[in-house]
Amino acid sequence: EDKVVQSPLSLVVHEGDTVTLNCSYEVTNFRSLLWYKQEKKAPTFLFMLTSSGIEKKSGRLSSILDKKELFSILNITATQTGDSAVYLCAVPNTGNQFYFGTGTSLTVIP
Amino acid sequence: KAGVTQTPRYLIKTRGQQVTLSCSPISGHRSVSWYQQTPGQGLQFLFEYFSETQRNKGNFPGRFSGRQFSNSRSEMNVSTLELGDSALYLCASSLAWETDTQYFGPGTRLTVL
Repeated sequence: EDKVVQSPLSLVVHEGDTVTLNCSYEVTNFRSLLWYKQEKKAPTFLFMLTSSGIEKKSGRLSSILDKKELFSILNITATQTGDSAVYLCAVPNTGNQFYFGTGTSLTVIP
Repeated sequence: KAGVTQTPRYLIKTRGQQVTLSCSPISGHRSVSWYQQTPGQGLQFLFEYFSETQRNKGNFPGRFSGRQFSNSRSEMNVSTLELGDSALYLCASSLAWETDTQYFGPGTRLTVL
C-alpha cells in the first residue's frame, strides 16, 4: 500500500535554531516528492524534487531527496517565528493520486 | 494571476443534508483535485478531474461526488451528510494531468451538526 510517513510529528525550537524534517515514502512508480507549508490556511508549495542527491534551496530552506533510501529531508536554518507551521510532504502515484504525510508541526519560540 | 478560489469558505449543515462546494482553478490550469483534511487523518485525496473527466478517485464512499465543467471549474457534492464529514475541503489545481506542482485554494470549512 502506498504511503508517506513524516517525522517528527511536532517540534518546538528557539529562534535561530536549525531544524530537519523527515519524509519517507513507499509509492508505486515514484516520480516526484513535494513539500508544502501550511499555516492556518491552504498549503503553499515549497519544493518539488525528482532527482536523487540534488539539493533544492530557497533562502533558509533546503531539501534533498534520496531515491535509493526512499526519503527526503527539509532543512530550515536560522529559524524565525514566521516559520511556525505544519510542513507537509506529498508523493503522487502513477494515477496522480497524491499521498500526503500527516505533517510535522513546527513551533518557533522567540 | 489570481489563485485558486473556493466557495463558500465556511458552511454549517445538519446530518442528512447535502452540500455542494465550488472550486475555480488558476487560469489556464486544467486539472483539479479535491482533498479532505481532518486533524486525525490529515490530507486525504478525494478525486481528480482533468478535461471534465474524473481521472482518479480516492477511498471515499459514493456519497462524495464531483464534476468539472468546460471552463475547468469544479464542484464537489456530498450527500446525506454525516458528523464525520466535518472537515476542511481543499481544492488544488495544476496545469495538466500528472503535472505535479499543485496549488491549493483556501478551502471550505464544513461543519456538520
